[in-house]
Amino acid sequence: DIQMTQSPSSLSASVGDRVTITCRASQGIRNYLAWYQQKPGKVPELLIYAASTLQSGVPSRFSGSGSGTDFTLTISSLQPEDVATYYCQKYNSAPWTFGQGTKVEIK
Amino acid sequence: EVQLVQSGAEVKKPGESLKISCKGSGYNFMNYWIVWVRQMPGKGLEWMGIIYPGDSDTRYSPSFQGQVTFSADKSTSTAYLQWSSLKASDTAMYYCTRRHYYDNNGLDVWGQGTTVTVSS
Repeated sequence: DIQMTQSPSSLSASVGDRVTITCRASQGIRNYLAWYQQKPGKVPELLIYAASTLQSGVPSRFSGSGSGTDFTLTISSLQPEDVATYYCQKYNSAPWTFGQGTKVEIK
Repeated sequence: EVQLVQSGAEVKKPGESLKISCKGSGYNFMNYWIVWVRQMPGKGLEWMGIIYPGDSDTRYSPSFQGQVTFSADKSTSTAYLQWSSLKASDTAMYYCTRRHYYDNNGLDVWGQGTTVTVSS
């Protein structure tokens, strides 16, 4: 099975900082990758699908890029409401594995 | 409004059986996979598997194969996750979510989650 590895596992940044989270697949998955945000105590929400398509209603400070094995989620200007854990997920073929998550905090 | 509404929290003893539900509304239930996701306390998201309500085509994660059973009733737009013999390690939050059968999209609508607690 294809493994999904996120880095870093956690980060602390200041409001207004640019934040980048990476996700690497152990084999190519084309662009069948999504990113989710899970705020503390809340249900996960879809941010980006097809590696770079912003889900409706998601702020434009979020963006995704990549194809094949290497993917990136970028928050262009970190806001206090972005404190959450972020997960990538591949869905080209079963199992649709999640990454282990990246916890984002405010410094 | 598109919704997935899950059944309520459960408290069970080890060895007991359980079936939880996930009811879809506001969309064509037959056009989407239903996906089950586990989140153990303080841990990340785990993909358990999927079921297509149209023909009950089912795929399980190797980690959950033989441990749980998925089913779906297309007449009531409801999917189910069941255990025949619960263990303490099944204590977790369980989410149902959906993904379009054909499109290159993610899991765009999630249920509110069902908390399962297994304790003697």
